[in-house]
Amino acid sequence: EPEVTQTPSHQVTQMGQEVILRCVPISNHLYFYWYRQILGQKVEFLVSFYNNEISEKSEIFDDQFSVERPDGSNFTLKIRSTKLEDSAMYFCASSVTGGKDTQYFGPGTRLTVL
Amino acid sequence: KNEVEQSPQNLTAQEGEFITINCSYSVGISALHWLQQHPGGGIVSLFMLSSGKKKHGRLIATINIQEKHSSLHITASHPRDSAVYICAVRGGSQGNLIFGKGTKLSVKP
Repeated sequence: EPEVTQTPSHQVTQMGQEVILRCVPISNHLYFYWYRQILGQKVEFLVSFYNNEISEKSEIFDDQFSVERPDGSNFTLKIRSTKLEDSAMYFCASSVTGGKDTQYFGPGTRLTVL
Repeated sequence: KNEVEQSPQNLTAQEGEFITINCSYSVGISALHWLQQHPGGGIVSLFMLSSGKKKHGRLIATINIQEKHSSLHITASHPRDSAVYICAVRGGSQGNLIFGKGTKLSVKP
């Protein structure tokens, strides 16, 4: 069964460093999402992406964040200058359509900022 | 902005018991999702529903659009059902989700 994959599974970085989290959505899906979950808290929406551009973003998704679909398969989340509070689990998800459609989640990347 | 509330926050059950987890939201929606998060962190979609009831194996999800309320039921619970169950509603036109805090279920043998 097709699945969303994410790499790396765990990333440790120093405060102020740039990180890129990678996702490979399911191949026929058109809508892509990034969510994050700080330890012990609920999952929060960061950004949605459709037709090679951001379609919606939350207040969390400030200028330090960017997303890209550099080729036909990868979907990346870049954090330019990481802060301690960026430590969280980051989930990528994809769906065929953006409306009333099941979202399929990747296994997550645990980001630890020291 | 839609607020999603779940109850209970924590639930401990004996194997075989019937489980109910509740979810309410503040603003009318077109679809509600139930998801399962395993101890390792992975999230799996269980149901997406916009009306009535859906059943998959021992899991049943119901929604009452007028009352802005949904329930997830597990029949004949089993220790492998132990996980966090999360309710989420659509937050925007592109399908981004607003999540509840989750209900941590522990089923004892």
